[in-house]
Amino acid sequence: GAVVSQHPSRVICKSGTSVKIECRSLDFQATTMFWYRQFPKQSLMLMATSNEGSKATYEQGVEKDKFLINHASLTLSTLTVTSAHPEDSSFYICSARPGTVEETQYFGPGTRLLVL
Amino acid sequence: AQKVTQAQTEISVVEKEDVTLDCVYETRDTTYYLFWYKQPPSGELVFLIRRNSFDEQNEISGRYSWNFQKSTSSFNFTITASQVVDSAVYFCALSEGSSGGYNKLIFGAGTRLAVHP
Repeated sequence: GAVVSQHPSRVICKSGTSVKIECRSLDFQATTMFWYRQFPKQSLMLMATSNEGSKATYEQGVEKDKFLINHASLTLSTLTVTSAHPEDSSFYICSARPGTVEETQYFGPGTRLLVL
Repeated sequence: AQKVTQAQTEISVVEKEDVTLDCVYETRDTTYYLFWYKQPPSGELVFLIRRNSFDEQNEISGRYSWNFQKSTSSFNFTITASQVVDSAVYFCALSEGSSGGYNKLIFGAGTRLAVHP
């Protein structure tokens, strides 16, 4: 149980385009999903917390107009990187929490974004 | 402020050796959760264990064991008889507050473990 999927696993795009990444909880409902960014050989950096049916909460320094998050259902959250630039190239990972009592976050396999 | 320190950046061992990964945390909360995750080269984070602050019992799961000591704010992870498949980056993480909140995970910097045949 507690499987989280992400799509796509890898994406290459041109500078200035927008990229959408999907995060799905496959066998549980997730009231809360999280989006992280990880640079090579570094730890995970939380970008935002996404709650179903409400606006996402962004961490300090993360541009909400650049990283659009939508959590339209209890099993799906999307991250859209708008007008991507080479510095947005990174590994993006989502996680999901089953309900509000379960404290464990289960992670997706990640999406490698390369902006040319 | 909350913080997780994994002082060991990289560890290299030979197969069958035992290895301990250190984790020290800081928090002002009396209720908190500690986690260990494994990140193999594929990139996906694999959940290994969760411990709440009121449960100091050590845990063993196969070749893995965890030593939680509140007195030293440590939550160390030991792999017994290491195998090449254990090669990965291991992250220790802290979540504060009581259940029901949208509590963030605070990650340590990670320890890269290389197990050589």
